[in-house]
Amino acid sequence: QVHLVESGGGVVQPGTSLRLSCAASGFSFRSYAMQWVRQAPGKGLDWVAVIAYDGSNIHYADSVTGRFIVSRDNSKNTLYLQMDSLRADDTAIYYCAKTKTRAVAGTVGSFDVWGQGTLVTVSS
Amino acid sequence: SYVLTQSPSVSVAPGQTAIISCGGNNIGSKSVHWYQQKPGQAPVLVVYDDTDRPSGIPERFSGSNSGNTATLTISRVEAGDEAEYYCHVWGSSSDYREVFGGGTKLTVL
Repeated sequence: QVHLVESGGGVVQPGTSLRLSCAASGFSFRSYAMQWVRQAPGKGLDWVAVIAYDGSNIHYADSVTGRFIVSRDNSKNTLYLQMDSLRADDTAIYYCAKTKTRAVAGTVGSFDVWGQGTLVTVSS
Repeated sequence: SYVLTQSPSVSVAPGQTAIISCGGNNIGSKSVHWYQQKPGQAPVLVVYDDTDRPSGIPERFSGSNSGNTATLTISRVEAGDEAEYYCHVWGSSSDYREVFGGGTKLTVL
């Protein structure tokens, strides 16, 4: 069964860092581009970042560019999101999601599998 | 940047048909995907590439896309369909952007 499990969330102060992980199982993780999507409390879905199957192509939302770094370790079937210089408006549930394609060249299509999410709260 | 517009809420009685719309400039030229999200749960893909359903999604869920409006139609609505529904497209050809609509809350009366 295809499964994504996020971890690493917590309560942190503004300006600090946090690293999220997303453990994948039940499919060939190394064959698919992966996404991070977040959802602020009571709000809608907000795209964060995408990484190609081999890490060769990466894109970020403007709101996180220069502060967040997405990476993956295909030998460990794990996706990461390094979040630096965190701000209050980064407070959200962070979901990882699987796409149906390998590369990131134009659209990668729909997000067919989502993890349960991990909550990040940035507060002083 | 590309914007998707959804009505905040739709209400229907059980057994009736729910129509959830997603507006965007020439959205008919894009592939639209729809997600269902119930309270406290992760989103679930219910329609992709305008009209296709993932395995396990009931045939009651269908989609269409033309002109400036994409539509998710839920036939014979059940109480369990009550949820937030989001449309999603790849928003740009010049730089990479994934865009979500603001969501529509479906209430089953």
